[in-house]
This record gives sequence, C-alpha cells and structure tokens, in this order.
Amino acid sequence: QKEVEQDPGPLSVPEGAIVSLNCTYSNSAFQYFMWYRQYSRKGPELLMYTYSSGNKEDGRFTAQVDKSSKYISLFIRDSQPSDSATYLCAMSETGGGNKLTFGTGTQLKVEL
Amino acid sequence: GAVVSQHPSWVICKSGTSVKIECRSLDFQATTMFWYRQFPKQSLMLMATSNEGSKATYEQGVEKDKFLINHASLTLSTLTVTSAHPEDSSFYICSAYQSGESPNEQFFGPGTRLTVL
Repeated sequence: QKEVEQDPGPLSVPEGAIVSLNCTYSNSAFQYFMWYRQYSRKGPELLMYTYSSGNKEDGRFTAQVDKSSKYISLFIRDSQPSDSATYLCAMSETGGGNKLTFGTGTQLKVEL
Repeated sequence: GAVVSQHPSWVICKSGTSVKIECRSLDFQATTMFWYRQFPKQSLMLMATSNEGSKATYEQGVEKDKFLINHASLTLSTLTVTSAHPEDSSFYICSAYQSGESPNEQFFGPGTRLTVL
C-alpha cells in the first residue's frame, strides 16, 4: 500500500464548476499537508499549505484536512480553463522544508 | 515567491555517458536542496536531500554512486547521472529550501527531462 493515495483522474469539468480533489494517507505521523499545481513539463508550484486538521481558504481554493480519517481535500470554486493542470497532494512529518511524500496527482481539465 | 532554475531543461544522451544537471536558487540562499524523479503519470519520488557543504542523504533504493550530488554553495546543487541507461530516462526536479524563513516551503525548479538512448 502506498503511503499516499490520490484519485487518479483524469477529471474533466465545465467552466464554473466546483472541483473536489482528494487524497488519503496511511502514515499518522504526517502533520503538514500541501497541495501543488503542476503544468505539463513544469515543476510543481505550491497552492495551499496547512498544518494539522481543519480548513484553510485562499481565494477560490479551500483545503481541508481530517486527520482522524487520514483524508485531505482541495476544493476549487468557479473553476477556470487556466486551472487545467495536474494537482498533487504532498505531506510531511516535520514541515515543508523536509521530506515530502507526494500523491500520484490528479489531472484536471476545465472545459469552456 | 522564490525562484529556482534548472539547467538544462532537456537533454538527450547516449547510453553509458554521464549527464550533469544544475539547480540554482536565484534570489535566496538554500540551506537544503532536494532532488526528485518523476516518471510519466507517477508521483514525484524523493531521491536525495543535500545540505550545503555536507554529503547528500539518499533515499532507500537510490544508488549514491550512480546519482552523484554536490551542494557546493548555498545557491547551487548539481546532480550527475553517471553511466546513464535508458531506464534512467525521467523528469528530474530539484527544490530548494531556506531554513528559518516563512513560509516553510520548498521551491521547485522547472525540471529537466532526461532521455537516454
């Protein structure tokens, strides 16, 4: 079993839809949770960074962490074609500056 | 956000040759740099962690003699793939981290696509 499992996608939604992306994990020591966006042939860029359980909102993006269920989510409201990318969840035991364990990524396509 | 560059962005080499990939933090000093490998439709897998002036720490299953990492300064780390073979073809991504700075995140380079013929 992988430490981090991510819905494989690909996911195709119409413009304006609410997108839900999810990851589950098995390592209860993970304390820091991140979501990255990666465009084709580019490096990942950080979207959201959360510590422990709870919600965090930034513009159209909301990250949720449920440590009791070992489940994290990223919601994108009012999705735009420019949101089309691969979204990777990542986790760390000791913070973003240390070893990150990534999910496989979910490919998202937002269509006009 | 901080900028990390990689060079080259794309390289093709013959089997048996060595390839060097550079990772630079352009506007900050990186106390730690990480090297990842990403195969198509798979997640980023950490290969090694390097701290400036120290030997790199390799993840289990990564051959340290094959993937040579040098972190000679606070702005430059290099990954040398020695005696490359077709199975080494992958997307190599570095990231850089500055200890004590907020946010507590790694900044990723744009990646280097290696194709070994």
